[in-house]
Amino acid sequence: DGGITQSPKYLFRKEGQNVTLSCEQNLNHDAMYWYRQDPGQGLRLIYYSQIVNDFQKGDIAEGYSVSREKKESFPLTVTSAQKNPTAFYLCASSGAASGNTIYFGEGSWLTVV
Amino acid sequence: RKEVEQDPGPFNVPEGATVAFNCTYSNSASQSFFWYRQDCRKEPKLLMSVYSSGNEDGRFTAQLNRASQYISLLIRDSKLSDSATYLCVVTRDMRFGAGTRLTVKP
Repeated sequence: DGGITQSPKYLFRKEGQNVTLSCEQNLNHDAMYWYRQDPGQGLRLIYYSQIVNDFQKGDIAEGYSVSREKKESFPLTVTSAQKNPTAFYLCASSGAASGNTIYFGEGSWLTVV
Repeated sequence: RKEVEQDPGPFNVPEGATVAFNCTYSNSASQSFFWYRQDCRKEPKLLMSVYSSGNEDGRFTAQLNRASQYISLLIRDSKLSDSATYLCVVTRDMRFGAGTRLTVKP
């Protein structure tokens, strides 16, 4: 089946540790995105990439890093510099062939303990 | 000013009611508009695209007003299952509105 796979679905991290969230898509989409959602809040854009080996900061990039070495993959690293990392993280992708509709993975829940 | 702004909500309506949400955007060059539905603790899912001529899907109608830079979503004959958060997105900016929470009550 075509879609976006995020892993892990649930992750616990100790303060001071970096953690990487995986995002893989087989939709042949050029663009990929990472959003953060806090309880009762909307989606905030962390990073996005419109092409391999290129990415741009969104509205809340501080404390996060990404890479886009392959078209299918866009991992997000939550670094120890991120002060309040506990949140729901959503990866998404879009492509011209699908009318630029944004499709989401099922999300990753990160909790700092 | 935020790129995308939505009615703050929440909207609490009885079954069978008609409810409308608006979403304004700031980038006049924006080209693609969508409404998404998000259930609690789930990912957003596409509800419908928004076309310049307006479009309808069953009980749902979406419209675009480029002159005033807003999109709207109308839900007729609300069902209990319509209870969710509705998000608008302007894909040129890749920004979502904060979402409007709808609760349909018996």
